[in-house]
Amino acid sequence: NAGVTQTPKFQVLKTGQSMTLQCAQDMNHNSMYWYRQDPGMGLRLIYYSASEGTTDKGEVPNGYNVSRLNKREFSLRLESAAPSQTSVYFCASSEVRGTKNIQYFGAGTRLSVL
Amino acid sequence: ELKVEQNPLFLSMQEGKNYTIYCNYSTTSDRLYWYRQDPGKSLESLFVLLSNGAVKQEGRLMASLDTKARLSTLHITAAVHDLSATYFCAVVVRLGGYGGSQGNLIFGKGTKLSVKP
Repeated sequence: NAGVTQTPKFQVLKTGQSMTLQCAQDMNHNSMYWYRQDPGMGLRLIYYSASEGTTDKGEVPNGYNVSRLNKREFSLRLESAAPSQTSVYFCASSEVRGTKNIQYFGAGTRLSVL
Repeated sequence: ELKVEQNPLFLSMQEGKNYTIYCNYSTTSDRLYWYRQDPGKSLESLFVLLSNGAVKQEGRLMASLDTKARLSTLHITAAVHDLSATYFCAVVVRLGGYGGSQGNLIFGKGTKLSVKP
């Protein structure tokens, strides 16, 4: 079972370049999330999508945009990358029905902005 | 603002010893999660704690939740090297934040556990 798939796994950008991080899940989940993880920090929510067609800001949305392309796919775009966006990015998905609402995470994208 | 604090942040243990990781959070929440992350890997769900007094056990790990004290513990019994990883607790935030109807997770900074022979 693939679960949550992120591409690419690694990326190096120069300041000012743009790129899109891709995320797809095959668990038929309604909710999807993008987090960033920095050294010594927990994960911080960038954006989330509660269901297909909706997106909302999380804790640290500045410098990012997202698109919920369909139920399976949720992409994160950096329009003009900055060194402060060097981080590991995780996508996650969850099913809201029921009480557990466990989030399942992808393998991460390691991004360096020079 | 919901804050989630874990301690210790670093823990070096010898195999066979017991220890407890603590997770304090600052506002009311109805769910608490524990995740494990191996170096360079993604996060793996360990436990979901849904109510006051909830206790879950899996192998050498046992998690508990005291919602009145806003405290969860992750107890490690007779540690083995395979438990070396970073452990995160995460709490659901709903009202007054960016949680939406389903709530979103606020993570602690993680506890990096190293179990030595």
